[in-house]
Amino acid sequence: DTGVSQNPRHKITKRGQNVTFRCDPISEHNRLYWYRQTLGQGPEFLTYFQNEAQLEKSRLLSDRFSAERPKGSFSTLEIQRTEQGDSAMYLCASSSGTGEYEQYFGPGTRLTVT
Amino acid sequence: AQTVTQSQPEMSVQEAETVTLSCTYDTSESDYYLFWYKQPPSRQMILVIRQEAYKQQNATENRFSVNFQKAAKSFSLKISDSQLGDAAMYFCAYTPDKLIFGTGTRLQVFP
Repeated sequence: DTGVSQNPRHKITKRGQNVTFRCDPISEHNRLYWYRQTLGQGPEFLTYFQNEAQLEKSRLLSDRFSAERPKGSFSTLEIQRTEQGDSAMYLCASSSGTGEYEQYFGPGTRLTVT
Repeated sequence: AQTVTQSQPEMSVQEAETVTLSCTYDTSESDYYLFWYKQPPSRQMILVIRQEAYKQQNATENRFSVNFQKAAKSFSLKISDSQLGDAAMYFCAYTPDKLIFGTGTRLQVFP
């Protein structure tokens, strides 16, 4: 069990560019979550998957954001036409989804939009 | 709306002493879980302790314990015998499925 991994760890991009982040959950975890954390705040929920099905999306997730989990394993989060307000830490977490509700977090991807 | 409130932005404790971090939440659900997570500077979120709402017994994990008051919707974390490595942001979180976090308490530990 290698834990939740996220790539890249850091991303600097110019406003208007598209970026994509990847999350690899703990193997055999059915649920995968994306959160966004800005400086000095707690993480805010963005979306989550049960296997390959996207079950819920926050109203924070504008139409510039899209997430996929095509084979029920890894997930990608894409942000199109980035804005400076998108600068944040993007956290991924996974859980077994079968009676245990603990979520285990990855190290995050820090996005800076210049 | 489901909300989590941590009213202490910062706390400090001397090494080997005990400190309590406060958390209140609001929900209309009867079945849910509560967690405390620790986030050291520039490091990833780590689960410290969890509490199932249907259990009356307070959870304990080594030096960490909680005081869960369901009727009052209160969920405080007690850290005993504080160590320098306990210094971090501590987040209280609530879930029936997705996690709802408080704003965090920054804990400083002094030698």
